[in-house]
Amino acid sequence: QKEVEQNSGPLSVPEGAIASLNCTYSDRGSQSFFWYRQYSGKSPELIMFIYSNGDKEDGRFTAQLNKASQYVSLLIRDSQPSDSATYLCAVNSPSNTGKLIFGQGTTLQVKP
Amino acid sequence: NAGVMQNPRHLVRRRGQEARLRCSPMKGHSHVYWYRQLPEEGLKFMVYLQKENIIDESGMPKERFSAEFPKEGPSILRIQQVVRGDSAAYFCASSVNGGSGTEAFFGQGTRLTVV
Repeated sequence: QKEVEQNSGPLSVPEGAIASLNCTYSDRGSQSFFWYRQYSGKSPELIMFIYSNGDKEDGRFTAQLNKASQYVSLLIRDSQPSDSATYLCAVNSPSNTGKLIFGQGTTLQVKP
Repeated sequence: NAGVMQNPRHLVRRRGQEARLRCSPMKGHSHVYWYRQLPEEGLKFMVYLQKENIIDESGMPKERFSAEFPKEGPSILRIQQVVRGDSAAYFCASSVNGGSGTEAFFGQGTRLTVV
């Protein structure tokens, strides 16, 4: 079992729709969860982080965390073609050193 | 406020040569992380350093790879006697402090090609 799992996609949504990206993790001791966006050939860009169960909203983005189910998700409202990228879920290492364990990423395609 | 700076952006080496990748963290950041991204794969942690100290090198291959973060100057990831399998994008990230919950910001990466 991978430590952090994401569906590689591609996930295709029409412009204006809600895109839902999901991530599961194996270690119950994980404490912090991050979503990065990576455009092709570019570096990862931090877009959201969440530490507590529940929802966290920032503009068009909402991160959701359910520690009991070991599940974290990212919702993108009013999806735009510019949102087309690979979204990486990252989980803080239980060893508490700040090391991040990444999923393989989900490729999102937003079609005009 | 400059972000994380990595250089070179692209590096081509012949098999058997050495590759040196440099990373200057964001201003005010003293924690540096190196990650490797192989083609069509996710980011894999390699090493975590603070000034003059290696904190966690659990992701670093045992041979040919080394990293340092001296008191003065950038962090260096060094790969000796490169092989084709070392071809990848190497990303550096920095943070204000370490530990759980730390937000890390990435540099633009160095794309290493071994020919």
